[in-house]
This record gives sequence, structure tokens and C-alpha cells, in this order.
Amino acid sequence: AQTVTQSQPEMSVQEAETVTLSCTYDTSESNYYLFWYKQPPSRQMILVIRQEAYKQQNATENRFSVNFQKAAKSFSLKISDSQLGDTAMYFCAFMNNNNDMRFGAGTRLTVKP
Amino acid sequence: DVKVTQSSRYLVKRTGEKVFLECVQDMDHENMFWYRQDPGLGLRLIYFSYDVKMKEKGDIPEGYSVSREKKERFSLILESASTNQTSMYLCASSLWPAEGTIYFGEGSWLTVV
Repeated sequence: AQTVTQSQPEMSVQEAETVTLSCTYDTSESNYYLFWYKQPPSRQMILVIRQEAYKQQNATENRFSVNFQKAAKSFSLKISDSQLGDTAMYFCAFMNNNNDMRFGAGTRLTVKP
Repeated sequence: DVKVTQSSRYLVKRTGEKVFLECVQDMDHENMFWYRQDPGLGLRLIYFSYDVKMKEKGDIPEGYSVSREKKERFSLILESASTNQTSMYLCASSLWPAEGTIYFGEGSWLTVV
């Protein structure tokens, strides 16, 4: 089975600064999807950004961007101009072509005013 | 908007009871998932289903079973609840083939006493 590793249990950043959350994964497959999800205190999971493995271009969604390194099996999330509302748990996730989706343990991000 | 509804947000059950957690999605999605979320462990896949009456074991199926008699409904069953099954349970759904986006319910907090 695929595994997803988030090595940073907790991180903090000052408001308006940039922070990068790390994620690595292990798979023998060549085609798959990678995601970052945000889980605020309300517990509802929210999709932040998605990356298809066959695309070399890194995905970007407003202040959120990824650094996808396929050979290194690395998928980090960069949050620019951090806002207080970005405070949440962030989960990295992997989905293969069988729709089997696995998550990392999460990184708790706190944005400080 | 896609809606994934978990019928019970908070449950308290006794050891040995049979517990049913119900999940309904309204977007005609083929795939449905049950995850368990515990601090420091992230989301762990219990079971997923890619069609009516079809199911696949995830990482931690022991002590659980599932039922999918209708496309929109996916039930998680704890045959004989134990205290180590106290957790947050998240249901999710997605399209087949996966275009990548998975939609989550709000979660069910289960406490087994």
C-alpha cells in the first residue's frame, strides 16, 4: 500500500509571511494524484490544491502552491501571505488509479498575529 | 454543491454494542470511503467502495464491516464496539474514475464506554 509521510506535526508562522509544509510519499505507481487538504476547527475537510502526477507543472491556487518533485516523491505546500484563517490541520493525501486514497498524519499550522 | 451527510455527529455507545454509522451523498458518486481520524495518526482508511455491493479493505478493517446496498448510501458497522474504537469517523465520496476530488462529511464522534 502507498504511504504518506508528513514529518512536521506542528508549525507556526507570522501573519503575512510564507510557510512551507512538507510531504513525502512512497509508491511504485507512475500515475496518481496528490492533494493537500485543510481541516479547520470545524472539522470539515476542505480541498486546498490538487496535482496530477503526469503534469510537470506545479499546481497553484491563489496563495497556495506546491513543489512537486516526482523523482524524489516529494510534494510540499507553500502558503504565501499567511492569514489568520489559514490556521488549521493540513493533510497531504495520495490517490492511485484504483481510487484508493491515503493520508498523512497531518501538520497543525498556527498563524500568529 | 456536493453534500456528504453523516447521520450522527456524536454518539456514545457501550462496549459490545453493535453500532451503525450512516453516510449519504447526493452527487451520484461511485466511490465512497470510511476513514478513522486519531491524533497523530491522521486519517486511516477502513473500507472503501467503488460500486454498489462492492467493497475493498483499507488499512484497518478489523472490527468493522460495511454495507452498500444503494449507490448513495454507505454504512459502517462496528459489530461489537470496543473502547479502542473511540474515534472520529469520516465518510467521503468521489467520482469514478477519480478526477481527484474527494468530498468529506462533517464527521461522527464515537465514544465507546
